[in-house]
Amino acid sequence: SAVISQKPSRDICQRGTSLTIQCQVDSQVTMMFWYRQQPGQSLTLIATANQGSEATYESGFVIDKFPISRPNLTFSTLTVSNMSPEDSSIYLCSQDRFTDTQYFGPGTRLTVL
Amino acid sequence: DAKTTQPPSMDCAEGRAANLPCNHSTISGNEYVYWYRQIHSQGPQYIIHGLKNNETNEMASLIITEDRKSSTLILPHATLRDTAVYYCIVRAGQNTDKLIFGTGTRLQVFP
Repeated sequence: SAVISQKPSRDICQRGTSLTIQCQVDSQVTMMFWYRQQPGQSLTLIATANQGSEATYESGFVIDKFPISRPNLTFSTLTVSNMSPEDSSIYLCSQDRFTDTQYFGPGTRLTVL
Repeated sequence: DAKTTQPPSMDCAEGRAANLPCNHSTISGNEYVYWYRQIHSQGPQYIIHGLKNNETNEMASLIITEDRKSSTLILPHATLRDTAVYYCIVRAGQNTDKLIFGTGTRLQVFP
């Protein structure tokens, strides 16, 4: 299985600020994905991070709120912008390494005060 | 929306087999059945997947009915560390296809 790391593992942020979450995989992958898991809920896909082009966002998620970068085949970032308490969630990245199986990172636990 | 239906919770005694059902009556011919689990506060962990044949690996077995409208994940000897939320997902077997998570089954393994 792939090794995926995320930074930070957790953070507590003030309302109105932004946080950038990093996702690093141990080898080149085609597809990377970002998910959100609100407290007590299942995972919801935010967007697909495409290398060399803009991310593809799911319904209900917009680039201004969740800008994503994918500068190369092993790295991606997700920024949660202008945060409110409703953004308190676990944010997870996953990768699909030329196979039909996605592997997930450990997640970033975000609390917004 | 998720294409699967699972019971919200199940209990299993340690050492016994845990059988987790999943209904996917609208599955398409090119869609696989995937199982993931999420142990508290961790990222989801891939368990197994299959198309129409039964599959077995070191973690579990996957039994898919002949009409492919339902499946069962079997943990042959459940341990306390298997306590987790188990997600059944249908997905086309392509790496560009996204995973749509449902609500899953919360499995509690007790001593």
